[in-house]
Amino acid sequence: DGGITQSPKYLFRKEGQNVTLSCEQNLNHDAMYWYRQDPGQGLRLIYYSQIVNDFQKGDIAEGYSVSREKKESFPLTVTSAQKNPTAFYLCASSMGTGSSTDTQYFGPGTRLTVL
Amino acid sequence: AQSVTQLGSHVSVSEGALVLLRCNYSSSVPPYLFWYVQYPNQGLQLLLKYTSAATLVKGINGFEAEFKKSETSFHLTKPSAHMSDAAEYFCAVTMDSNYQLIWGAGTKLIIKP
Repeated sequence: DGGITQSPKYLFRKEGQNVTLSCEQNLNHDAMYWYRQDPGQGLRLIYYSQIVNDFQKGDIAEGYSVSREKKESFPLTVTSAQKNPTAFYLCASSMGTGSSTDTQYFGPGTRLTVL
Repeated sequence: AQSVTQLGSHVSVSEGALVLLRCNYSSSVPPYLFWYVQYPNQGLQLLLKYTSAATLVKGINGFEAEFKKSETSFHLTKPSAHMSDAAEYFCAVTMDSNYQLIWGAGTKLIIKP
């Protein structure tokens, strides 16, 4: 089945530690995205990538880093510089046609809790 | 700046009643609009999208939305609510090709038996 997988589903981290969230897609999509979701705030874009080896900052990139070495993979690292990392993280992908109607498809999410 | 407003963080309806979830956008140019649904602790699933082909858009699970330019609205409706419709619904808009969606804050739909 084609889709987007995120692992792990739940992640616990101690303060001061970096942690990497995995996102893999087998939809052959060019574009991939990372969002952060907090209660009552909708989704906020962290980073996005339109093509392999290229990515751009979103609205809240501070304290996060990404890489895009393979088309199907877009891991997100939450660094110790992120002041309030506890949140639900969603990965998405789209064909990346450059059209405004390009539809984003989402993975199941990872819930990160900082202890 | 582009923005999306979803009126009501929580909406409660009885099973079998009409569902109406409101979405208004701010834009000086024609937008493209999306409705997504999120079940607890899951990702988002596309319900429907408006791409200017028709003002009344039909989606999955019996939902539909009507684009009204004069009201800058894209409200989501379903004639008869089902218990399985209980979820959070997000409206989003994009107006250019920079891959970014502008998201509303979401509306939690509660279905009363």
